[in-house]
Amino acid sequence: GNSVTQMEGPVTLSEEAFLTINCTYTATGYPSLFWYVQYPGEGLQLLLKATKADDKGSNKGFEATYRKETTSFHLEKGSVQVSDSAVYFCALSGDSGNTPLVFGKGTRLSVIA
Amino acid sequence: GAVVSQHPSWVICKSGTSVKIECRSLDFQATTMFWYRQFPKQSLMLMATSNEGSKATYEQGVEKDKFLINHASLTLSTLTVTSAHPEDSSFYICSARDFRGSSYNSPLHFGNGTRLTVT
Repeated sequence: GNSVTQMEGPVTLSEEAFLTINCTYTATGYPSLFWYVQYPGEGLQLLLKATKADDKGSNKGFEATYRKETTSFHLEKGSVQVSDSAVYFCALSGDSGNTPLVFGKGTRLSVIA
Repeated sequence: GAVVSQHPSWVICKSGTSVKIECRSLDFQATTMFWYRQFPKQSLMLMATSNEGSKATYEQGVEKDKFLINHASLTLSTLTVTSAHPEDSSFYICSARDFRGSSYNSPLHFGNGTRLTVT
């Protein structure tokens, strides 16, 4: 079945540091890939998405590129801020039908001033 | 953009009582909604798929008699935790996909979750 593996946290960075959160997936067909962010006590918000190979999703300074050859969708940000502290989830969606998302375990990011 | 509203945001109940959680799609119709459960510092576990006009589909290991799901209309799904026990304490999140103008690869939109505490 489909699965998502992302690096375990927690990740602690200083403000303005470079962020990478690794995510790899296993799936049949051509899944769509997503990054969601969860701030403390809240639900999940879509951060960015990519629906086909070589697509780059970007939002709020975050980027991720759909790499089919390495089955990866790593999240990056050039300069993190304290407000980026949250839990980040990588997820995939199957390529047919209205299917639920499969999530990675989440990576907690803490950014300190 | 699409909004999913979940209510209540938190609830405390006594062991043995039942709790109902509502999930509404505010500006789109959702024939299917997904219910997830999240344990502290863990990922989201899919509990069930709620289907408008038919029975919900439950994931393996999820007790359908304990977690009753009713998809009453195209904009409302409810999850009722029956005879709640302390081990049911968790964060429950619903989600739905807005297909307007798009296809299956539209992202899921999530409610803000309901924190259930059973004493």
